[in-house]
Amino acid sequence: DGGITQSPKYLFRKEGQNVTLSCEQNLNHDAMYWYRQDPGQGLRLIYYSQIVNDFQKGDIAEGYSVSREKKESFPLTVTSAQKNPTAFYLCASSPVAGGPWTGELFFGEGSRLTVL
Amino acid sequence: AQKVTQAQTEISVVEKEDVTLDCVYETRDTTYYLFWYKQPPSGELVFLIRRNSFDEQNEISGRYSWNFQKSTSSFNFTITASQVVDSAVYFCALSEVGNDMRFGAGTRLTVKP
Repeated sequence: DGGITQSPKYLFRKEGQNVTLSCEQNLNHDAMYWYRQDPGQGLRLIYYSQIVNDFQKGDIAEGYSVSREKKESFPLTVTSAQKNPTAFYLCASSPVAGGPWTGELFFGEGSRLTVL
Repeated sequence: AQKVTQAQTEISVVEKEDVTLDCVYETRDTTYYLFWYKQPPSGELVFLIRRNSFDEQNEISGRYSWNFQKSTSSFNFTITASQVVDSAVYFCALSEVGNDMRFGAGTRLTVKP
């Protein structure tokens, strides 16, 4: 079945460690996104990518990094520079035809990161 | 700047009651898109509806209906005869042309049997 796969579902990290969250899609979508969800704050955009080897910062990119070496993969690294990394992270994709702002987003099931 | 406000943080109803989730948006553009997503306990957001700014026709899909009113910048969502499976967090979102999708804070709906 087509969809978005995020892993791991749960992740624990010690302070000062970098962690990488995986996001893979087989929908053949051009655009991919990373959102952060905190209680009571909705979703906030971290990074997005419309084509391979290109990505742009969202509202809260500080302390995060991404890569887009393949169309189907968009991993997110939470670095030690991220001051408050404990959150629920959601990856999404959308077809770019007509512009990514016009289409629905398809989401993965999320990764919950807890910093100990 | 685009902004979405969902004033209702949590709503609790008893099964078979009707419930309306409010969404108010702000934008300076004349062309924009409005969305509703459902987030069940499993975590992934599920797309429910998209509306462009030129289409104010209300829409009904089974027990779900949406009321888009540009005059009040609102895009409200009504569930008729609610069911326990409707329990989820619901997000309203706004996209302006060339901009990212902006989400509201979400409304947690609990439907009790």
